[in-house]
Amino acid sequence: AQKITQTQPGMFVQEKEAVTLDCTYDTSDPSYGLFWYKQPSSGEMIFLIYQGSYDQQNATEGRYSLNFQKARKSANLVISASQLGDSAMYFCAMREYNTDKLIFGTGTRLQVFP
Amino acid sequence: GAVVSQHPSRVICKSGTSVKIECRSLDFQATTMFWYRQFPKQSLMLMATSNEGSKATYEQGVEKDKFLINHASLTLSTLTVTSAHPEDSSFYICSADGTAKNIQYFGAGTRLSVL
Repeated sequence: AQKITQTQPGMFVQEKEAVTLDCTYDTSDPSYGLFWYKQPSSGEMIFLIYQGSYDQQNATEGRYSLNFQKARKSANLVISASQLGDSAMYFCAMREYNTDKLIFGTGTRLQVFP
Repeated sequence: GAVVSQHPSRVICKSGTSVKIECRSLDFQATTMFWYRQFPKQSLMLMATSNEGSKATYEQGVEKDKFLINHASLTLSTLTVTSAHPEDSSFYICSADGTAKNIQYFGAGTRLSVL
């Protein structure tokens, strides 16, 4: 079974608008972390935001926020006020602390247009 | 955050040669580093976990004699692709746990092309 599912292979958003990238996960480990990374065409993986399974509040980092719905096992990334430089691949990932491995979803390609 | 440096960024080599890729943590010590492989338009797949001072732990299906990992110090892990063949052509990227232990920080990756 897929541990991390990103159902949107591609998304388009107009500059200055907000966009939500979907991510659902599957785990029986009560202790885990959820992450979002951005991968521009250059290939580097840029850490964006982290949510711990026991965190009560949704994580926010500047224009990025993580909509964490534990019961639904979803961890959607919200990017507000999109910029042209936000165009990239976005990967959702989960780290189960019983294995300590980071597992990635298949990614969503976001394209921001003027 | 934490800075991870990876070198080289790009390498082209002939079939049968060996290629070494370095991964360094620049401003922190990393007892554990991770090596991933990414095929075009695909996600990252964990190849192995590199532990300072001990043997690496390889994921199922990854040939440890093909992909040699050495983690001799707290700031350096190396991946050597031995006797490279065209099917080894891929994007290899390393990561390390930063000072906030839950977060893995990545190097810029190495694009390997084997002719």
